[in-house]
Amino acid sequence: AQSVSQHNHHVILSEAASLELGCNYSYGGTVNLFWYVQYPGQHLQLLLKYFSGDPLVKGIKGFEAEFIKSKFSFNLRKPSVQWSDTAEYFCAVKGNTGKLIFGQGTTLQVKP
Amino acid sequence: DGGITQSPKYLFRKEGQNVTLSCEQNLNHDAMYWYRQDPGQGLRLIYYSQIVNDFQKGDIAEGYSVSREKKESFPLTVTSAQKNPTAFYLCASSSQELRPGEQYFGPGTRLTVT
Repeated sequence: AQSVSQHNHHVILSEAASLELGCNYSYGGTVNLFWYVQYPGQHLQLLLKYFSGDPLVKGIKGFEAEFIKSKFSFNLRKPSVQWSDTAEYFCAVKGNTGKLIFGQGTTLQVKP
Repeated sequence: DGGITQSPKYLFRKEGQNVTLSCEQNLNHDAMYWYRQDPGQGLRLIYYSQIVNDFQKGDIAEGYSVSREKKESFPLTVTSAQKNPTAFYLCASSSQELRPGEQYFGPGTRLTVT
């Protein structure tokens, strides 16, 4: 069965620190990859996505993610976090079933 | 202003009662989904519907039922058979034609059963 694993469950950073959230998936075929974010009190919204082409994708608010096929990974990065980045982040994979499979989520807390 | 609405935001029920959660979208999306979100478990798919009058079970369908009589609406009923119904429920929709694979989410309903 397809699965998604997010390595970090709770991350605490100071403002201006760099961020990398890990995401690995288990499916070996063609995948579409997503990062969603859920800010406190807000809807879950799409941060960025990868379908094909350049494995380095850029999303909203300065986030980017790199698809490394050989490592089955799609890690999320941001060079310098802000207090407003405090949120829960979900990695998701769409494989051959057509369904989105979500990771467990990572709660990011940024201290001002 | 297009989007997905879920009501109510908070819902309280006694054990043994069925409860129906509402989900409406005006995005003209064909597909709709119900997820359950529990701390540390991410989102798990309950049911999904790719077209009106058709729906399929997701990964955790037991104790839930749905209907899709209209394109805009996809209500979820949490039955008394669901052993652990207290959770945050999210509805989503997507369009395979417009943005394949990308799902839009509603604000969620937090259900508490005591």
